[in-house]
Amino acid sequence: GQQLNQSPQSMFIQEGEDVSMNCTSSSIFNTWLWYKQDPGEGPVLLIALYKAGELTSNGRLTAQFGITRKDSFLNISASIPSDVGIYFCAGHSANFGNEKLTFGTGTRLTIIP
Amino acid sequence: AAGVIQSPRHLIKEKRETATLKCYPIPRHDTVYWYQQGPGQDPQFLISFYEKMQSDKGSIPDRFSAQQFSDYHSELNMSSLELGDSALYFCASSLGQYNEQFFGPGTRLTVL
Repeated sequence: GQQLNQSPQSMFIQEGEDVSMNCTSSSIFNTWLWYKQDPGEGPVLLIALYKAGELTSNGRLTAQFGITRKDSFLNISASIPSDVGIYFCAGHSANFGNEKLTFGTGTRLTIIP
Repeated sequence: AAGVIQSPRHLIKEKRETATLKCYPIPRHDTVYWYQQGPGQDPQFLISFYEKMQSDKGSIPDRFSAQQFSDYHSELNMSSLELGDSALYFCASSLGQYNEQFFGPGTRLTVL
């Protein structure tokens, strides 16, 4: 099935640093969503993108829908301790009727004291 | 704001037993999705319902079934449980079929 390649797999940063992660696909997606998940909890929606080239911000978070519709990135500026967690990209395939979300493999963010 | 409600939050079952997981979507949301997440894995889509009709199907075992009721809540029924069914099960809901999905807190199923 379709897969989303997400990188990096893990990041170890210091508080205050900026973070960047991205997702790529071999096929076209109609939407890109970015979620954050804490251990044992459900994914929490951070940003939703619906148009190619769209750049959207949510506080310290910025995400873009790639112009080719096959990629997206998420940036976090000035990281704080509560940013720790696993970040997933997810998307709706362009195939009609494919309403399920396909998830990336996740980026685990750790802040080093 | 109201969120997706799932019950129970934790469930322990023996092999070959059955389990029923419940999901109450955000009010006015008409679409419900079920996902399974194994340890260290990303969520995998199982099945979805739009306006009480099954709308998409993923890698859901034949031992599992689900439905969406008239009040839009959904239940995932799991029979002949296997050790490999131990996972977090998430329900998500959306307004319309191709819009952002909001996830519930999950049900952690442990099969012994």
